[in-house]
Amino acid sequence: GIQVEQSPPDLILQEGANSTLRCNFSDSVNNLQWFHQNPWGQLINLFYIPSGTKQNGRLSATTVATERYSLLYISSSQTTDSGVYFCAPRETSGSRLTFGEGTQLTVNP
Amino acid sequence: DAMVIQNPRYQVTQFGKPVTLSCSQTLNHNVMYWYQQKSSQAPKLLFHYYDKDFNNEADTPDNFQSRRPNTSFCFLDIRSPGLGDAAMYLCATSRTGGNQPQHFGDGTRLSIL
Repeated sequence: GIQVEQSPPDLILQEGANSTLRCNFSDSVNNLQWFHQNPWGQLINLFYIPSGTKQNGRLSATTVATERYSLLYISSSQTTDSGVYFCAPRETSGSRLTFGEGTQLTVNP
Repeated sequence: DAMVIQNPRYQVTQFGKPVTLSCSQTLNHNVMYWYQQKSSQAPKLLFHYYDKDFNNEADTPDNFQSRRPNTSFCFLDIRSPGLGDAAMYLCATSRTGGNQPQHFGDGTRLSIL
């Protein structure tokens, strides 16, 4: 099955800082989602981005499918951005999302 | 709003006592998924339904079963929960097609006493 690597595993920021989270995957994909899991365990869908670039407020994401990676940008971070960010691609030949191990983000005031 | 609803948010059961978790959806999606997420780990797919067609993951334990009586509802049954089954259980839905996004419920956190 597809292998998914997220980096960094942990990230600590001061409020207002910018950050880039990376997701590398080992096979061709036809779907890729970025999620934010908040401290209460809710998994919030941030982006559905199998290719290209999308923006939503302070967040944006880019997937370069041919080079098998995706990036999540967080600008002007806020304490409410804290939590775990998961990347989950779906390989073209398969039927499941495979989650990476996540990036634990802590934003301090 | 159309959504995926999981009940209850928190469930406590005793070691070995069967428990059922429920998921309902108003999105009219034909695919429904159950994921297990243990503490500090990524969600892991247990099984999914394409309509009534059940698809079990190879490493899903035998004491995990599922039912889907209609399009809107799906249940996760744990026949004899062990301490290792304590986890967050997430339900998701999607339309058919590999390029369709999955929509997640808020999850049920299961504790085993």
